[in-house]
This record gives sequence, structure tokens and C-alpha cells, in this order.
Amino acid sequence: DQQVKQNSPSLSVQEGRISILNCDYTNSMFDYFLWYKKYPAEGPTFLISISSIKDKNEDGRFTVFLNKSAKHLSLHIVPSQPGDSAVYFCAARISGGSNYKLTFGKGTLLTVNP
Amino acid sequence: GAGVSQTPSNKVTEKGKYVELRCDPISGHTALYWYRQSLGQGPEFLIYFQGTGAADDSGLPNDRFFAVRPEGSVSTLKIQRTERGDSAVYLCASSLTGGPTEAFFGQGTRLTVV
Repeated sequence: DQQVKQNSPSLSVQEGRISILNCDYTNSMFDYFLWYKKYPAEGPTFLISISSIKDKNEDGRFTVFLNKSAKHLSLHIVPSQPGDSAVYFCAARISGGSNYKLTFGKGTLLTVNP
Repeated sequence: GAGVSQTPSNKVTEKGKYVELRCDPISGHTALYWYRQSLGQGPEFLIYFQGTGAADDSGLPNDRFFAVRPEGSVSTLKIQRTERGDSAVYLCASSLTGGPTEAFFGQGTRLTVV
């Protein structure tokens, strides 16, 4: 039972345009969400996070939006650059006793074309 | 180095053999995690160490899997009687504490059981 779902296995966008990566979750106990970026043969690297008490968090070209009622979050990259081409994982966590444990989606492969 | 280091990068073993995978976390990080990423999936939680003790090993798939962290730094994931289904990338991560700080991942060990 996938508690974190990334329904788009891949996404292709043109350089300079906006990339929107989507993530849905089913567990209402999740209250902290993270995005990781992964290049081939490397480990995932932390990109941006958001607490459930917020609906938006921005860091440079990256913005994460959270819609708790819809159990949906999205990562916006503006403007997209070829170096952004990677697999993006959405992850979620429950505060409290198990707040160390991340539940990941399957990832979305983003390709930014020059 | 400054990051999480995992050795070996790649390991090919025969079915039924024993393997050890090593993780050197970032210096000073008390929390250490092992995740497993199977083909086409996101990373899945295996075990969490806080210091020397395994605080949560609920993700270990069966008793063929065991992990240690005897001095609270380096950790070893041990797999006995390997099976072809154990083939995956094994990721190690560390964080300053087990709380809401983001985890830093190593590049992973790709294990192939033939």
C-alpha cells in the first residue's frame, strides 16, 4: 500500500519553463514533507521541505505547495535548467515517536531540454 | 570526506552467500539510517540507529538482515544467505539528530545477487 504516490514516472520540460512535480499521500498522520533530488549513481540530496502548518515554502527557484485537505503537494521549479534533470522523490514523515522515518514515493524523472 | 560514505559502491555475490555493506556517516551525526531502493521504487526504510543502538529495526525484511553500529559511528549492514530478491541499492543516511533535521544520504551500494 503506497502511502506516498508520485503518479508521473517522468516529465519533460523546456529550459526556462516551469516544472511542476506532483505528489499525493494517503496517511493523514504525515505532517512534514520533503523533496529529494537524485542524480544517477548518487544518493538522494535534500532539496526543500514543508511543515503541515504551512501551505507554501520557497527557496530560490524551488517552491513547494501543500494542500492538506487534498493530501497533495507539488514542487515548482522556475525557471527550469538542464542541470535540474534528475529523479525527484517526494517523502513524508510523522512527527512524534517515529519522526525519523521517511516514506518515499517512487520518484519522477525530470528532463529539462536545452 | 565531508559526506556519507558507503563501501563498496557495487557488490556482486552469488545466491546463498553472506555480504556486508559499510556506511561511514558524517562526523558528529548521531542518527543513522539504512534504506533499500529496489528497481523502479523509492527508498524504503530498513533500520534506524540513535548512537550505538538500533532504535527501530521494523523495516528489516526478515532475520537474514542485521545491522550494527558498535561505536556509534560506522555501521555495517549484514545479509546472510542472500537471495536474488535482495538485489537493490542500499542507501545509508545520517542526520545530526533523529528529529526533524534533514538526512544526508550516501551514494549507495548496488547489490546484485546472481
